[in-house]
Amino acid sequence: ETGVTQSPTHLIKTRGQQVTLRCSSQSGHNTVSWYQQALGQGPQFIFQYYREEENGRGNFPPRFSGLQFPNYSSELNVNALELDDSALYLCASSFGRGYEQYFGPGTRLTVT
Amino acid sequence: GQQVMQIPQYQHVQEGEDFTTYCNSSTTLSNIQWYKQRPGGHPVFLIQLVKSGEVKKQKRLTFQFGEAKKNSSLHITATQTTDVGTYFCAGTPGGGTSYGKLTFGQGTILTVHP
Repeated sequence: ETGVTQSPTHLIKTRGQQVTLRCSSQSGHNTVSWYQQALGQGPQFIFQYYREEENGRGNFPPRFSGLQFPNYSSELNVNALELDDSALYLCASSFGRGYEQYFGPGTRLTVT
Repeated sequence: GQQVMQIPQYQHVQEGEDFTTYCNSSTTLSNIQWYKQRPGGHPVFLIQLVKSGEVKKQKRLTFQFGEAKKNSSLHITATQTTDVGTYFCAGTPGGGTSYGKLTFGQGTILTVHP
C-alpha cells in the first residue's frame, strides 16, 4: 500500500452543492495530482500541484479548483455539483513532476 | 488535445496463455507509464519508459516503447489468476512544457480463467 490517504471514502451530495476532498501525500513527495475516474474509464487528469503551485490543468471547468498546503497535502474543491460529477476521485503523489505516481484509495462521490 | 488509445478493451485468456495490450498516442510522448488497477482498487504504478525503443522486463511482464515514442505495449507471458485487472498506459506529452499532465488510455480489462 502507498502512503497516500484520501478522505472521505464515500460522499453523497445533491446537485448544486459544493464538496471538498482531501489528500495527504506520501512522505517525501512534493507533487500531487488529481484525477476523475468514471466507471469503466481511465483516470482523467484534473490538475497537478507542485510545491504549492498549479503545474498543469486538464479539460475541467473552473468550478474544479484545488489547493496544496506547505506540508504538500492537497484539497480538491468542486462547486455547483452536477450529476455527471459522480465518479471516483483519485489523488496521486509523486517525488516530482514527471515521476511515477502513487495513488490513494480514492473518494467515491455520488451526486443526486 | 493529446489522446491515448488502448486496444483491446477486453481480453479473456486461459491461465497460462500470453496477453498483450497496445497503447497509441496521437502525439509524441516524453515518457509513458503503465499502471494496473484491480477491481475496486486504485491504479498501481508498474513501470516508466523514457527512451525511444526502450524495452524493460519485470519477471513475466515485458514493456516496450516505440521508436517514435508514440506507442507502447505490455506483454505478459504465461498469465496467472493474479494478473487479473485493468492495465492502463499513461503518457506525458513531449516538449517539456507539460511535465504534470498524464493522459491515461481507457485501459484493457484482463480476465484469466483458471
